Amino acid sequence: QSVLTQPPSVSAAPGQKVTISCSGSSSNIGNNYVSWYQQLPGTAPKLLIYENNKRPSGIPDRFSGSKSGTSATLGITGLQTGDEADYYCGTWDSSLSAGGVFGGGTKLTVL
Amino acid sequence: QVQLQESGPGLVKPSETLSLTCAVSGYSISSGYYWGWIRQPPGKGLEWIGSIYHSGSTYYNPSLKSRVTISVDTSKNQFSLKLSSVTAADTAVYYCARALSSQGYDYWGQGTLVTVSS
Repeated sequence: QSVLTQPPSVSAAPGQKVTISCSGSSSNIGNNYVSWYQQLPGTAPKLLIYENNKRPSGIPDRFSGSKSGTSATLGITGLQTGDEADYYCGTWDSSLSAGGVFGGGTKLTVL
Repeated sequence: QVQLQESGPGLVKPSETLSLTCAVSGYSISSGYYWGWIRQPPGKGLEWIGSIYHSGSTYYNPSLKSRVTISVDTSKNQFSLKLSSVTAADTAVYYCARALSSQGYDYWGQGTLVTVSS
């Protein structure tokens, strides 16, 4: 059971937009930065978004991040077949059991 | 270009200690950032193990804290993971990574599969 809750799967057609949610609490998302990762099969995760809405160099602006209260959202526009992957959110949890936490992951299918 | 490479045994016996090293090239660990270990059991999600700063300060996953030690060797530009008393539940792909920001890991190693089995 992950500390952060993500939908197990989402799907959309090529060219469309999709959003992936990440729900937490005041001890994690509510008071810490959120990051998002893309993991293609058999590869290491790739950082897409950090500090809630910043994109590392080389990440296209089709990917966006936002945060409101204790939830965060990853948005992907202009879906491509190459976007089919697992997506994870991550943040820090500042509770008594402090440490890094990830969501359970969301499988994106581009129909 | 920053590169990270994990190394260590791919097979560890139950109750023994898992030891991995992450060699960093293209960036000096002494220059800053946190450096972390993350693992992924086969077919499952990511689990944060812990992280270390070049000064040696560490943070560990509370659920693993009693068994984990992360250390850094700035002279060799590498950091290491030790996980003691392993069981089959510790079988996973282990990744090392650099933290650009709080839990924002921008550079990752390719990962190494460690199987716990007799």
